[in-house]
Order: sequence, then structure tokens, then C-alpha cells
Amino acid sequence: AQRVTQPEKLLSVFKGAPVELKCNYSYSGSPELFWYVQYSRQRLQLLLRHISRESIKGFTADLNKGETSFHLKKPFAQEEDSAMYYCALSTYNDYKLSFGAGTTVTVRA
Amino acid sequence: GAGVSQSPRYKVAKRGQDVALRCDPISGHVSLFWYQQALGQGPEFLTYFQNEAQLDKSGLPSDRFFAERPEGSVSTLKIQRTQQEDSAVYLCASSSQGGSAEAFFGQGTRLTVV
Repeated sequence: AQRVTQPEKLLSVFKGAPVELKCNYSYSGSPELFWYVQYSRQRLQLLLRHISRESIKGFTADLNKGETSFHLKKPFAQEEDSAMYYCALSTYNDYKLSFGAGTTVTVRA
Repeated sequence: GAGVSQSPRYKVAKRGQDVALRCDPISGHVSLFWYQQALGQGPEFLTYFQNEAQLDKSGLPSDRFFAERPEGSVSTLKIQRTQQEDSAVYLCASSSQGGSAEAFFGQGTRLTVV
């Protein structure tokens, strides 16, 4: 069975500082990895997915199969990045998402 | 509608009461998912529909939980004889297809069993 681990429950950074959210997964096949974000009083929404290889709102994430990681990075954090971030995994034949426990990011001025 | 709609937004139930939670997916979306999110945790999969067919119900925690999507659109999650451990946010999501297609989430129903 697949499993997603986000080791940090809380992350606090200053505005303009780099931010990295860690995500590790366990799955023996080829996974599809996602980052979802939930801003205050809003619904959960997709931030980015590894197959797109795109940067969204300045965030990037690289799938490292050797380390089974999919860390989310942004070089210069902004106050509007304060939110809850969830790493999630699905597999080719199984459409459901397996989520990590989430990381709350607070960006301080 | 503009997005996935869930009702009610909040529900307080007395232990032993039956509840029904509704999900209105984005029009035309084939796939529909239900997730349960306990406080401080990530969403946990409950069940998956492709059109009206329930293809996966492996995440339903007990036979008190039942979901249906009879016409391939609106879905209802029913919980019979609610227990305190059922208290959680119940999230519905829909997507145009499975796999890597983006899942669009509703705002959830917060169920509190007292």
C-alpha cells in the first residue's frame, strides 16, 4: 500500500526567505505525485503535479525516485503563501489520492 | 455550477442518529470521490464512483457507511447510527477522468457527533 509522509506539521519563514516543504512516499511502482493547497476559509485545490513539470505561483517540485521524495520549494516566500499544504500520491491503476498529514506554512512579514 | 457543492456545510448529530451528506459535482465530471478528514490529518479515501458505478469502496470504515450516485451526477454519503469517531470533515471531489486528471474539491461538510 502507498504511504505519504510530511515530516513537518508547522513551518514558519520570513517573507522573502526560501521555503521547502518535505514530502516522502512509499510505493513500489511509478507514482503520480501532487501538491494540494488550502488557503484560509477556502477549499482544497491543486497547486501542481509532477507530470506537468511547471512552476505555479513560484513553487516547483521535483520527483526524486531514488530518494522517494517530492519536496516543494519556493525561493522567495510571500505572505500570501501562508496556507496548509498537502502532498498526495495516486497510482496508474488506482485513481484515489493518498494524502500526507499536511504542513501549515506561516510567512511572517 | 462553478464548482463542487456540498451540503450541509455543518451538521451536528446525536449519537445513534442517521445522517445524509450531499455532493453536487461539476457538471459532466465522470469521477466522484468521497474523503474523510479527521482533525489534524490529511484526507482519507472513502469511496470512488465512475458515473453511477461504485468502483471502489475499500475506504469505508464500517457497514454503517453507504454511498450512492444513482444517476451518475449527485452523490449522497449516508452514515447510519453515527458514533463519536465519525466526527470529521467529509470532502467530495470530482474530476473529468481518473488518473492524473485534476480533482476539484468541495468545501466539505463538518460533521460533529455529540
